[in-house]
Amino acid sequence: DAKTTQPNSMESNEEEPVHLPCNHSTISGTDYIHWYRQLPSQGPEYVIHGLTSNVNNRMASLAIAEDRKSSTLILHRATLRDAAVYYCIPLNNNDMRFGAGTRLTVKP
Amino acid sequence: NAGVTQTPKFQVLKTGQSMTLQCAQDMNHEYMSWYRQDPGMGLRLIHYSVGAGITDQGEVPNGYNVSRSTTEDFPLRLLSAAPSQTSVYFCASSYIAGSYNEQFFGPGTRLTVL
Repeated sequence: DAKTTQPNSMESNEEEPVHLPCNHSTISGTDYIHWYRQLPSQGPEYVIHGLTSNVNNRMASLAIAEDRKSSTLILHRATLRDAAVYYCIPLNNNDMRFGAGTRLTVKP
Repeated sequence: NAGVTQTPKFQVLKTGQSMTLQCAQDMNHEYMSWYRQDPGMGLRLIHYSVGAGITDQGEVPNGYNVSRSTTEDFPLRLLSAAPSQTSVYFCASSYIAGSYNEQFFGPGTRLTVL
């Protein structure tokens, strides 16, 4: 399983963009890169995933490095509701290995 | 759709007691799984199922049993509860097994074993 490295915590101001990095240098060629987030006292929530190309959806954008050894989750305008722990998960099968993630704090 | 539902929300057990955590989904998903989350840590996979009648072990299966008799339900049984099983338990489902699929998580069951 690919190992991931994420900052323990990050802070952002409301309405500003946030770039959450993830290093996954041991990723295999068939691993999809998934991002989930977990709001306080809730189950994880899917954010976005991709394989090689950058991806956009209504929640966020995912920028994947050309060598796939790192990726960045981009929240274009952080809101207070985006305060959560964000997990980057390279996934080859169904066994999602959650690390410690990045705790995002959004300041008003 | 109700999505993934879990009952109960909270449970307190004494050491040695048994119980079943319930999980149901109404999205006709083939893949279902159980995770546990200890304080300050990420989730760890306990058991999973790729379809009715098929189950397999995850990362931390000891002390837990599962069965999948229907597509909708995937109960998790604690055979003889131990304090080390104090945790928050999450059930998840996805359309089919595969690394390209989004997983939907339930709200969790907070279990305390005294």
